[in-house]
Amino acid sequence: QSALTQPASVSGSPGQSIAISCTGSSSDVGGYDYVSWYQHHPGRAPKLMIYEVNKRPSGVSDCFSGSKSGNTASLTISGLHSEDEADYYCSSYAGDNTWVFGGGTKLTVL
Amino acid sequence: QEQVVQSGGDVVQPGGSLRLSCTAFKFIFSTYGIHWVRQAPGKGLEWVAFIQYDRGNDANKKYYTDSVKGRFTLSRGSSKNTLYLQMNSLRAEDTAVYYCARDLGSGSFAFDIWGQGTVVNVSS
Repeated sequence: QSALTQPASVSGSPGQSIAISCTGSSSDVGGYDYVSWYQHHPGRAPKLMIYEVNKRPSGVSDCFSGSKSGNTASLTISGLHSEDEADYYCSSYAGDNTWVFGGGTKLTVL
Repeated sequence: QEQVVQSGGDVVQPGGSLRLSCTAFKFIFSTYGIHWVRQAPGKGLEWVAFIQYDRGNDANKKYYTDSVKGRFTLSRGSSKNTLYLQMNSLRAEDTAVYYCARDLGSGSFAFDIWGQGTVVNVSS
């Protein structure tokens, strides 16, 4: 149950697009199409942004999109807004009713 | 609005015990699987435990991350709208903010509604 690998930080200017990667293994990210992404503002509850690799829950902006290739998943945010500044975590189902998270990526909107 | 509300966090000595509660509002708790996820100070999120929904062949089956097996126990309350995480033999490394989160369901393997978090501090 090793944590998924995410970059510690990414940054972008308002209106730009950024991507956050999430690398695992064939036992998690590569083995299942059950990658999800969460936005976490410190002190608040995490918020589901993407599930099943590329599906958006109701109410989540279509500026957020997800994809996967092999053992690496990605979250793309198009047209950055200041309120997008937060920590982002990926998660993957890892089999046998266990889950694994990434280490988190701090997004800074310049 | 559907939500989960948590309680039970505290400061406890190493080797001690604590019980966290997670209560559902505006949805039927027993028809969803529920997870616990924690975040240690300065660290990322870590999946801790999962209890299946209260129906079918796998009703209320429980699963735990390796580091808490044998020490943490999930259970559903008699009111059917509350879930408990009993934590025994606590260690310093269990210090974290603990979140309960609803499983999205339908085989999506994601967490769609999160509690506000409760702080567990294991310290002498």
